[in-house]
Amino acid sequence: AQSVTQLDSHVSVSEGTPVLLRCNYSSSYSPSLFWYVQHPNKGLQLLLKYTSAATLVKGINGFEAEFKKSETSFHLTKPSAHMSDAAEYFCVVSDPANTGKLIFGQGTTLQVKP
Amino acid sequence: DTGVSQDPRHKITKRGQNVTFRCDPISEHNRLYWYRQTLGQGPEFLTYFQNEAQLEKSRLLSDRFSAERPKGSFSTLEIQRTEQGDSAMYLCASSLAGNNSPLHFGNGTRLTVT
Repeated sequence: AQSVTQLDSHVSVSEGTPVLLRCNYSSSYSPSLFWYVQHPNKGLQLLLKYTSAATLVKGINGFEAEFKKSETSFHLTKPSAHMSDAAEYFCVVSDPANTGKLIFGQGTTLQVKP
Repeated sequence: DTGVSQDPRHKITKRGQNVTFRCDPISEHNRLYWYRQTLGQGPEFLTYFQNEAQLEKSRLLSDRFSAERPKGSFSTLEIQRTEQGDSAMYLCASSLAGNNSPLHFGNGTRLTVT
């Protein structure tokens, strides 16, 4: 069965410093992986997706993620945090059957301090 | 881009009452998904439709829950005889068919059962 584990429930950084949100996946197939962001009282927004092309994936708002098969990881990074990045982030794996169904991790709350 | 819209945004109901939520997907999207999100957790899959056909239902979807998409456009999710444990955010998403088509989420309906 597909699953993802987000290793930190809460991450706090200062504005202008790097962001690292960690995610490990479990999959018996070559997975499709995503990161979604959820701001308070807003819908989930797709940040980026990996679908077996380039292992380094660039997303919106300066975020990137690197797929590492040997480590079964898909960590999300950003070189410099902005106050507006404060939100809940979800690492997501898709169902291998052609349903488009997504399986979400527990989420990581990113706090950005001025 | 009108996005995915959900109505109502908030619903407060008393235990034992029935509630119905509506989701209007992006017009050209033939897949529609319902998820439930409780506080501090990632969204959990409930069910999905391709056009008007309901193709999969999660075990989370008890007999008190029913979803429809009668004309392959908007969808409704009904909960009968609500319980306090039904309190959650109910999220709707839509996509084109295809395993790597991104899901577009609505802002959700927050249900509180008193």
